[in-house]
Amino acid sequence: DAEITQSPRHKITETGRQVTLACHQTWNHNNMFWYRQDLGHGLRLIHYSYGVQDTNKGEVSDGYSVSRSNTEDLPLTLESAASSQTSVYFCASSEGRVTTNTGELFFGEGSRLTVL
Amino acid sequence: GQNIDQPTEMTATEGAIVQINCTYQTSGFNGLFWYQQHAGEAPTFLSYNVLDGLEEKGRFSSFLSRSKGYSYLLLKELQMKDSASYLCFLYNFNKFYFGSGTKLNVKP
Repeated sequence: DAEITQSPRHKITETGRQVTLACHQTWNHNNMFWYRQDLGHGLRLIHYSYGVQDTNKGEVSDGYSVSRSNTEDLPLTLESAASSQTSVYFCASSEGRVTTNTGELFFGEGSRLTVL
Repeated sequence: GQNIDQPTEMTATEGAIVQINCTYQTSGFNGLFWYQQHAGEAPTFLSYNVLDGLEEKGRFSSFLSRSKGYSYLLLKELQMKDSASYLCFLYNFNKFYFGSGTKLNVKP
């Protein structure tokens, strides 16, 4: 069965370190998204991609970067981790760009990051 | 933004019916989703409304009124396992706009 997986599921790091969260999907979806989820804020978009070599900033992109070198993967990098980036991170994917598709969003299991 | 509003938290009794509302302010969108998220888990798909009206799936129904900027999720015959957060979000040209979610507590 197709799926979307994230790793690591839990990570503790120190302020200033670089951290990369991996996201891999086997749906062959064009669209991939990274969200962070914090109490009281719901899901907030960090970065997204509509295809290989395409990346776009979301509403809370400062301090984060992504790259899309193939269809399956969208790694999220925290260049210099800060305590404010302690959160649960969800990767998601959906298919297509045409307006007629349902756009159903498939989520990974989440990565819980703690920055000390 | 799309200004999507949901109540923060609700409590209901096992076996009862509960309605979770979602209001939004936007000029247009492709469709509206409802997802369920248990604590510590990923959100999972419940329903998707494109046209106005009611979509029914077993114990869960979702309603959309575009003219009123309003949707609701109706849960019938509540079970303890329905204790979760319920996310309302809009889909518009490959972007998704989320509300903050409603935490539903089901008590015996």
